[in-house]
Amino acid sequence: QSVLTQAPSTSGTPGQRVTISCSGTTSNIGRNYVYWYQQVPGMAPKLLVYRDYQRPSGVPDRFSGSKSGTSASLAISGLRSEDEADYYCGTWDDSLSGPIFGGGTKLTVL
Amino acid sequence: QITLKESGPTLVKPTQTLTLTCTFSGLSLSTPDVGVGWIRQPPGKALEWLALIYWNEDKRYGPSLKSRLTITKDTSKNQVVLTMTNMDPVDTATYYCAPWTNDAFDIWGQGTMVTVSS
Repeated sequence: QSVLTQAPSTSGTPGQRVTISCSGTTSNIGRNYVYWYQQVPGMAPKLLVYRDYQRPSGVPDRFSGSKSGTSASLAISGLRSEDEADYYCGTWDDSLSGPIFGGGTKLTVL
Repeated sequence: QITLKESGPTLVKPTQTLTLTCTFSGLSLSTPDVGVGWIRQPPGKALEWLALIYWNEDKRYGPSLKSRLTITKDTSKNQVVLTMTNMDPVDTATYYCAPWTNDAFDIWGQGTMVTVSS
């Protein structure tokens, strides 16, 4: 059972905007930066967002991160078929003194 | 450009010790605030952080496996080594290494699949 809570799955149609949520506590999301990964089946995770909303070079601005209190969200606008993947949130946990991940959300593009 | 590659056995027997090596380029573990960590992912399951070592030898371990893990670094070889003792079939997973920079695991290695079976 992951320390960070994500819905197991979500879906959307091409062009739509979808949001993936990540819920934590004051010892993790509430005090530390959040990051998001995209994992296509059979591939290594790819960093999409770091420090709550920053995007690494090369990540389209269709992907945006936000945080409020002990929850964070990843929004994907202009949904494309290639966005179909698993998405994981993560952060640092002060109680565990280490990084933690959410359980992942599987995005299906209908 | 940062690249990392994990190496080690693909098959280990129960109770054996697993040794994995992460060899990287494009970053230095002598740079302040830089770390390299290990993360694993059982088939069809979520990511699980295992261990992290910083440039200054500070080491952190995931609480559930802490007693079985040891992480070390060889800065001159650009390598980080993870050992995990007393392997069990539930440890079957893909094991990844990645640098910890900007408060996140940045570029990930391709991963190495380890199967625990007699």
